[in-house]
Amino acid sequence: AQRVTQPEKLLSVFKGAPVELKCNYSYSGSPELFWYVQYSRQRLQLLLRHISRESIKGFTADLNKGETSFHLKKPFAQEEDSAMYYCALRSGGGSQGNLIFGKGTKLSVKP
Amino acid sequence: DTGVSQDPRHKITKRGQNVTFRCDPISEHNRLYWYRQTLGQGPEFLTYFQNEAQLEKSRLLSDRFSAERPKGSFSTLEIQRTEQGDSAMYLCASDRANTGELFFGEGSRLTVL
Repeated sequence: AQRVTQPEKLLSVFKGAPVELKCNYSYSGSPELFWYVQYSRQRLQLLLRHISRESIKGFTADLNKGETSFHLKKPFAQEEDSAMYYCALRSGGGSQGNLIFGKGTKLSVKP
Repeated sequence: DTGVSQDPRHKITKRGQNVTFRCDPISEHNRLYWYRQTLGQGPEFLTYFQNEAQLEKSRLLSDRFSAERPKGSFSTLEIQRTEQGDSAMYLCASDRANTGELFFGEGSRLTVL
């Protein structure tokens, strides 16, 4: 079964500290993985996707197929990073399927 | 274009009543998705359309739920004989060219009393 697991409901760090939000997935095929973010009172929006191998707002995520993980990292957290973060997996074979989301991790960055 | 819009934003209804939600996607997007989100959970997939064709439905979508996208533009999600367990945020999203970048609406919050 296709599944996305985010083991931490809440992650609290101080400003300037490194951040790692964990995501593990279960998928038999070649996965496409994404991180979505929802800031307070805003819509859910894409943060980054693994195929782009890009850094957005200082965040990066590397797909580790051996560990079936796609952890989101940032070396120095900022207060404006406080938000809900959802890891998502595209199912159904490449570009055909829908997104399956994890339960989310709430990141709180304290001053 | 102001993005994906959903209406109504909030709906309170009594158990057993029918409710309908509307979603207007971004105009050039041919794919439209419905998700449901309850407290402490991530968005759960319900169904999606490519143009007017409904391509996939989740097992979560019981026979009380029906979704349409008659002209390949806006979509409606109807819930018949609502139950308290239907209380949730119903999210609509759209995308173009299967990029995986879904553009979400603000959601329609349903409360069933």
